[in-house]
Amino acid sequence: NAGVTQTPKFQVLKTGQSMTLQCAQDMNHEYMSWYRQDPGMGLRLIHYSVGAGITDQGEVPNGYNVSRSTTEDFPLRLLSAAPSQTSVYFCASSYSNGQETQYFGPGTRLLVL
Amino acid sequence: SQELEQSPQSLIVQEGKNLTINCTSSKTLYGLYWYKQKYGEGLIFLMMLQKGGEEKSHEKITAKLDEKKQQSSLHITASQPSHAGIYLCGADTDSGYALNFGKGTSLLVTP
Repeated sequence: NAGVTQTPKFQVLKTGQSMTLQCAQDMNHEYMSWYRQDPGMGLRLIHYSVGAGITDQGEVPNGYNVSRSTTEDFPLRLLSAAPSQTSVYFCASSYSNGQETQYFGPGTRLLVL
Repeated sequence: SQELEQSPQSLIVQEGKNLTINCTSSKTLYGLYWYKQKYGEGLIFLMMLQKGGEEKSHEKITAKLDEKKQQSSLHITASQPSHAGIYLCGADTDSGYALNFGKGTSLLVTP
């Protein structure tokens, strides 16, 4: 199994540009989530999904959209990038809710100029 | 919402020394997770604690959960340079579908 994969690893955007961060898992996990990690802030939950077709907002959802059309994929979209979205983004998945280990991808480093 | 406070924020220890990292929750802990992050990389799962008083060990790392104190501790015995990284504690959110995280403890082990 490849586990949780994320692409790209690095990305530089200009303010106002859009892009999609890709996340895929091959473990047949129902639960997937996106976090951002900023210095001094730890990891903060952006959006999560409990299954195909079902998504919900986390702690910091503004400026981000998600969709879950398949169990395997959970892309994160930035419609109009802002410098405040400069961060490291992690995707995670788990088999079920609560009391289950979350597996994290390697992260995407995003710089918005 | 639940807040997790980790202490210390950073730690520099000499190789071979023992160390402890604490994670204190503002709410009752039902599930506490410890992750390690090497600098510039993703999170690696270390241990999960579910019950008050539970203690788990893996190699030289031991984690305990004190439910009454709403606190967990991570203890590393005879630290090695390979232990360096950022240690994060996480706890189940109210929805149970994701985790709240502490801000992390940065560990550096010097020769």
